[in-house]
Amino acid sequence: DVKVTQSSRYLVKRTGEKVFLECVQDMDHENMFWYRQDPGLGLRLIYFSYDVKMKEKGDIPEGYSVSREKKERFSLILESASTNQTSMYLCASSLSGWGHEQYFGPGTRLTVT
Amino acid sequence: QQQVKQSPQSLIVQKGGISIINCAYENTAFDYFPWYQQFPGKGPALLIAIRPDVSEKKEGRFTISFNKSAKQFSLHIMDSQPGDSATYFCAASTSGTYKYIFGTGTRLKVLA
Repeated sequence: DVKVTQSSRYLVKRTGEKVFLECVQDMDHENMFWYRQDPGLGLRLIYFSYDVKMKEKGDIPEGYSVSREKKERFSLILESASTNQTSMYLCASSLSGWGHEQYFGPGTRLTVT
Repeated sequence: QQQVKQSPQSLIVQKGGISIINCAYENTAFDYFPWYQQFPGKGPALLIAIRPDVSEKKEGRFTISFNKSAKQFSLHIMDSQPGDSATYFCAASTSGTYKYIFGTGTRLKVLA
């Protein structure tokens, strides 16, 4: 079974803090993704990575950065958290190429106060 | 043009009824259309997917209908069960990209 784990289920941070969200997958997938999920907006892609140290911006990258130093680990970084970044963050992974299933982690509910 | 419009936002169906969720798109380059199911507290999981060379795909009680000329596709859940209560997302993707464009989601509740 593919397993995608995220470091925290719930996180509360203060405005201006630097926040790290960690994601680990155990299936040797090349592709990894970070989404945010908001009611009425669905899932929106923040960043994705198709290989170690490789990354591409998604639809809403502003205010976020990512790091992929190892194939199994993909980190999302909020350099200076703001209240409008309060959201559910979902990590996913998939095999290389097109049309492969994306496997999602359980999500991290981040609240920025 | 990159959007996928999903409706309805929420749906309540009696047990044994048919649940229908619709999605529409503009970008004719989309050629892969998956549906994801998300239970509370869990991440989305792939339910069923279709490519535009077929008009219908069925897996158990779940069917995708695809209308290429209308640029619409829909999910039908036959004999809906309370265990089907979840949020459903349609998505679309283009050959050669890793990116999915997700719809806004439909929260389905099946009454016992």
